[in-house]
Amino acid sequence: QSALTQPASVSGSPGQSITISCTGTSSDVGGYNYVSWYQQCPGKAPKLMIYDVTKRPSGVFNRFSGSKSGNTASLTISGLQAEDEADYYCSSYTSSTHVLFGGGTKLTVL
Amino acid sequence: QVQLVQSGAEVKKPGASVRVSCKASGYTFTSYNINWVRQATGQGLEWMGWMNPNSGDTGYAQKFQGRVTMTRDTSITTAYMELRSLRSEDTAVYYCARNFGVAANDYWGQGTLVTVSS
Repeated sequence: QSALTQPASVSGSPGQSITISCTGTSSDVGGYNYVSWYQQCPGKAPKLMIYDVTKRPSGVFNRFSGSKSGNTASLTISGLQAEDEADYYCSSYTSSTHVLFGGGTKLTVL
Repeated sequence: QVQLVQSGAEVKKPGASVRVSCKASGYTFTSYNINWVRQATGQGLEWMGWMNPNSGDTGYAQKFQGRVTMTRDTSITTAYMELRSLRSEDTAVYYCARNFGVAANDYWGQGTLVTVSS
């Protein structure tokens, strides 16, 4: 099964908002409300930022929010800050392989 | 506090096997599944499979079926991932992660670099 589709890169200036998309199919993103988002800084393990499409783990700033429409999930970061620069990955439960990740998106804060 | 501490880096020859350990602490080990995820250098995350530390039940991604085994030792709260018949394409950082909810991972190990080279 192919990875979920994410843009390779996005960028924004401090204070702006950006959105990263994650497109799958009705067998994964569209079929279940089990989309997660991870932030990964260079040389570090991923960090859970959003789970179950919209929920934030404790300790994650409310500048990070998730949503879903059809087969596409989105991560929005508002009030962009320099420390948000990282790679972001989506993942979804799937009916076939259990878990599928996106290809990752590099966020650059200009 | 919840911690997952993995074993150190490994260098293996093609055809060999590797076993990576993941020592859990700070929570009830048998209450949360453990997932294994790998990441080749400069590449994305790839889910390998899950293990239920309570029952020992496992589920593997089709790509790794027949080549991977996930086990645990509850007496020392440690999960293991063994990958056999290694090839150069298996060179990657391997992570264990605690499963949270249906398909999220809330705590991750620090990663173990496995290098496959002749």
